[in-house]
Amino acid sequence: EPEVTQTPSHQVTQMGQEVILRCVPISNHLYFYWYRQILGQKVEFLVSFYNNEISEKSEIFDDQFSVERPDGSNFTLKIRSTKLEDSAMYFCASRGWGANVLTFGAGSRLTVL
Amino acid sequence: AQSVTQLDSHVSVSEGTPVLLRCNYSSSYSPSLFWYVQHPNKGLQLLLKYTSAATLVKGINGFEAEFKKSETSFHLTKPSAHMSDAAEYFCVVSPYGQNFVFGPGTRLSVLP
Repeated sequence: EPEVTQTPSHQVTQMGQEVILRCVPISNHLYFYWYRQILGQKVEFLVSFYNNEISEKSEIFDDQFSVERPDGSNFTLKIRSTKLEDSAMYFCASRGWGANVLTFGAGSRLTVL
Repeated sequence: AQSVTQLDSHVSVSEGTPVLLRCNYSSSYSPSLFWYVQHPNKGLQLLLKYTSAATLVKGINGFEAEFKKSETSFHLTKPSAHMSDAAEYFCVVSPYGQNFVFGPGTRLSVLP
């Protein structure tokens, strides 16, 4: 069964450092998403992406965040200068044209020290 | 605006007894509704979905949910809990197929 792949599974970084989280969505999917889950809290929407541009973003997704689809397979989330409060599990998801179900990756745990 | 309420942050049942996880939603549009499950240190797995067809939806692992428009509810049930059902369960609403809004989650504990 096709799956969404995320790397790294866990990253530890120092405050102020840049982090890039990578996702390989399902190959024929067209819509891509990032969500985050701070430990013990709810899953929060960050951003959705379609046709090489952001289609929607939340208040959390400020100027420190950016997304990119650098090639035909990867979808990345960059945090320019990490803060302690960016520590969370980040989930990538994708869905196909006409489909209304998200398929999630296993997540990337980010720990900011 | 759309939102999801999961009335119980934690539900504890004995193995073999029924499970009821409650979800109420608010949406300006006719929504699609989902339940996702998250086992410890794992990703989010789709349990079942409602997309304007049958109001009683069957999912994986014996779970089912009933969409009740008059009550704006989409409660998740299972007749008999198994130890492996212990996990976090999220109700999700998608009002127009673009954004997907998560509820706060319900942690299900299954006692032997």
